[in-house]
Amino acid sequence: AQSVTQPDIHITVSEGASLELRCNYSYGATPYLFWYVQSPGQGLQLLLKYFSGDTLVQGIKGFEAEFKRSQSSFNLRKPSVHWSDAAEYFCAVARRGAGNMLTFGGGTRLMVKP
Amino acid sequence: DVKVTQSSRYLVKRTGEKVFLECVQDMDHENMFWYRQDPGLGLRLIYFSYDVKMKEKGDIPEGYSVSREKKERFSLILESASTNQTSMYLCASSFARASGRVYNEQFFGPGTRLTVL
Repeated sequence: AQSVTQPDIHITVSEGASLELRCNYSYGATPYLFWYVQSPGQGLQLLLKYFSGDTLVQGIKGFEAEFKRSQSSFNLRKPSVHWSDAAEYFCAVARRGAGNMLTFGGGTRLMVKP
Repeated sequence: DVKVTQSSRYLVKRTGEKVFLECVQDMDHENMFWYRQDPGLGLRLIYFSYDVKMKEKGDIPEGYSVSREKKERFSLILESASTNQTSMYLCASSFARASGRVYNEQFFGPGTRLTVL
C-alpha cells in the first residue's frame, strides 16, 4: 500500500528566507503527487500537482516542487517566504484505479518569524 | 467558484449521542469524501461515495456510517459518539475520473471541529 511521510512536523523560517518542505512517498508505480495548503480556519487548497513529464512543477503562490524518483521524494520549495505562508502543508499521493482517492502525509506546520 | 460547505464549524456532543455532519457541494461532482484530520496523522479517509446511494469504506470506517440520498449532499453519521472521535472532519468532492484524464482535483470544505465530552 502507498504511504506518504513528511519528516518535519514543525518548521520555522524567517520572512524572506527560502523554504523547503520534505515529502517522501512509497508507491509501486509512477505516482501522482500533490501538495495542499491549509491556512488557519480554512479547508485545503491545492498548491501544485505532478502527473508526468517535467519533474519540476510550478504551483500557485510562488511555490514549486521537484519530483525525484531515485529518492522517492517530492519536496516543496519557495525562494522567499511571506508571513501569509504560515499554514499547514500536506503532501499526498493518488491511489491509482481507486476513484480519485488520496493518501496524505502527516503534515508540516510552517511558522514564519517577522 | 467551487463551493463545498459543511453544516457546522464547531460542534460539541456528549458520549453516546448520534451525530450528523452534513456536507453540500454545488459543482455537480460525482465523488464525495469524508476525512478525519488529527495532528501528526494528516487526513485519513473515512468513507467515499461515487454516486447517489453508493459508498465505499475508506481506511478508518469503524464507528462511522454515511448517507448520500442526493448528488450534492453527503452525510457522515456517528451512531454513538465516543471521546476518541473528537477530531476535525473534512468533506471533499471531485468529478469522477473521465476518460483521458488521469485525475480530478478534490475540493475541500472548511471542516467541522467535533468535540465529544
